[in-house]
Amino acid sequence: EAAVTQSPRNKVAVTGGKVTLSCNQTNNHNNMYWYRQDTGHGLRLIHYSYGAGSTEKGDIPDGYKASRPSQENFSLILELATPSQTSVYFCASGEGGPYYAEQFFGPGTRLTVL
Amino acid sequence: GDSVTQTEGLVTVTEGLPVKLNCTYQTTYLTIAFFWYVQYLNEAPQVLLRSSTDNKRTEHQGFHATLHKSSSSFHLQKSSAQLSDSALYYCALPNTGYQNFYFGKGTSLTVIP
Repeated sequence: EAAVTQSPRNKVAVTGGKVTLSCNQTNNHNNMYWYRQDTGHGLRLIHYSYGAGSTEKGDIPDGYKASRPSQENFSLILELATPSQTSVYFCASGEGGPYYAEQFFGPGTRLTVL
Repeated sequence: GDSVTQTEGLVTVTEGLPVKLNCTYQTTYLTIAFFWYVQYLNEAPQVLLRSSTDNKRTEHQGFHATLHKSSSSFHLQKSSAQLSDSALYYCALPNTGYQNFYFGKGTSLTVIP
């Protein structure tokens, strides 16, 4: 059974609209992450969280907000979606720490902003 | 700052021939582990290899990599590429706080018959 799930899997939004991408993990990991993936740029970190109630800015946070209401759930929010935010978004969970454990990725959400 | 460099964006190799994907890194901090992730078409990235020991060869699924701290490299190699190896490959290392990864930009490997 998949440990990191994302919804929706595909989303078409209009410019200026609000978009919420959801992520749920059953790994009981403290850390969760949101990435976007674009050809030529690889995986870029948008926001991450160390636990419920915490959110931190990643490398490209502009235009995005994040929310971590519980250990299991981590949302990415686009308040005013723009066509430049058309991308594939991946959520991941991981333990972090000196003996660095891997990150486990969800299946991805393909977002198209028209 | 810390970074990971994958010099090839696209690599095409004929089935049965060897393949090498390059990864070099820059870090000013003691880094415990290095990773290669693989992403097959329409799937999520997943760990292929990890290594934390200098000059020790690590193998998985026919691929191998050796961490060389003296040259700041962690190249991925396979002696005989298979069609099923066609995928996107990412090199990654933890950041100084050990809470996040630095990912390279990825190398798309295509194996042709």
